[in-house]
Amino acid sequence: DVKVTQSSRYLVKRTGEKVFLECVQDMDHENMFWYRQDPGLGLRLIYFSYDVKMKEKGDIPEGYSVSREKKERFSLILESASTNQTSMYLCASSPGARPHSPLHFGNGTRLTVT
Amino acid sequence: GDSVTQMEGPVTLSEEAFLTINCTYTATGYPSLFWYVQYPGEGLQLLLKATKADDKGSNKGFEATYRKETTSFHLEKGSVQVSDSAVYFCALSGDSWGKLQFGAGTQVVVTP
Repeated sequence: DVKVTQSSRYLVKRTGEKVFLECVQDMDHENMFWYRQDPGLGLRLIYFSYDVKMKEKGDIPEGYSVSREKKERFSLILESASTNQTSMYLCASSPGARPHSPLHFGNGTRLTVT
Repeated sequence: GDSVTQMEGPVTLSEEAFLTINCTYTATGYPSLFWYVQYPGEGLQLLLKATKADDKGSNKGFEATYRKETTSFHLEKGSVQVSDSAVYFCALSGDSWGKLQFGAGTQVVVTP
């Protein structure tokens, strides 16, 4: 079974802090994704990566950046956390360039910015 | 751009009732369609999928048929259980990278 592991279930950070959310997958998937989940809005794509060191903006990239130095690891970075970034963050992975392949999700990181 | 609209919740049902969650989509080309389920405290899991018109996806008693003429992918289950209480997301994938566009999610609560 594919396993996508997010390093923290809960995080509490202060406004202005730099925040790192880590995600690791163990199935050698090319594609990795970061979504945020908010009530009434569903999941919205922040960034995705289709290969090491490659990244593409999703629908809501403002205030975020990403890093993919190794195939199995995809990091989401909040350069200066703000209260409107309080949310549930979900990482996912899938095999490369296969539009019918489902995404495999981690359990999420609930981030609170105070 | 691509979008997914699904019925708002929460939907509250008694055990053994019939469940329908409506989902319609807007997309160019021929997207793949998915239903994901999120149980409390967990990430999303794939429930079922359909990759072309008239395909029926099914899993765990749930079914959904890809209707291109009505741009719909409604989820149904004939007899729900308490363990089906969860949030259900309809999603489409319209590009070669498999990025998913999600609906807002529908919370389903099944009472004994």
